[in-house]
Amino acid sequence: ILNVEQSPQSLHVQEGDSTNFTCSFPSSNFYALHWYRWETAKSPEALFVMTLNGDEKKKGRISATLNTKEGYSYLYIKGSQPEDSATYLCAFGGSQGNLIFGKGTKLSVKP
Amino acid sequence: KAGVTQTPRYLIKTRGQQVTLSCSPISGHRSVSWYQQTPGQGLQFLFEYFSETQRNKGNFPGRFSGRQFSNSRSEMNVSTLELGDSALYLCASSLYGGAGRYGYTFGSGTRLTVV
Repeated sequence: ILNVEQSPQSLHVQEGDSTNFTCSFPSSNFYALHWYRWETAKSPEALFVMTLNGDEKKKGRISATLNTKEGYSYLYIKGSQPEDSATYLCAFGGSQGNLIFGKGTKLSVKP
Repeated sequence: KAGVTQTPRYLIKTRGQQVTLSCSPISGHRSVSWYQQTPGQGLQFLFEYFSETQRNKGNFPGRFSGRQFSNSRSEMNVSTLELGDSALYLCASSLYGGAGRYGYTFGSGTRLTVV
């Protein structure tokens, strides 16, 4: 059974703090790694799709890195803002042919 | 452009009944995937349809089925509902779907409650 693990499960930070979360996935038969942001009462919103080992993606204050050889990806948020409060999901795409999601990291940013 | 539309948004059904949920993908997207989310669980993959064919299926009982029409709209059906089927059902639209080298766009979901 393929497993995607995210840590920590939840995180509480103050406005202005920088933070990062981890996604661990199988290191074989890799096709893609996705990150999504899921705000309460909304749909999951795609942040990044990464396909190559060593990929680094950036969108504003949010960035992500990928290591397919060891099976992990980091998501970084610089200078967290209250509007960054959401659950961040990662999803592994491999030879199984579909995306397998982790349970997410719930981020709360206090003003 | 229009996003992914799921109907209905909320549904309450009685144990033993059946239910049909609908998903209209982004225009031009040929793949629709369905996911179930229950408390404490990540998104669990139900199945994917691509060009009217089921391309992949998750580990769910045969009570869960789906189909896709020629306009790429998809429906999923759950027969003989059980209390444990209460969940948020999300569909995701993608150009080519599969293992995901292209991003997925999610609908707002259907919240199903079985009583």
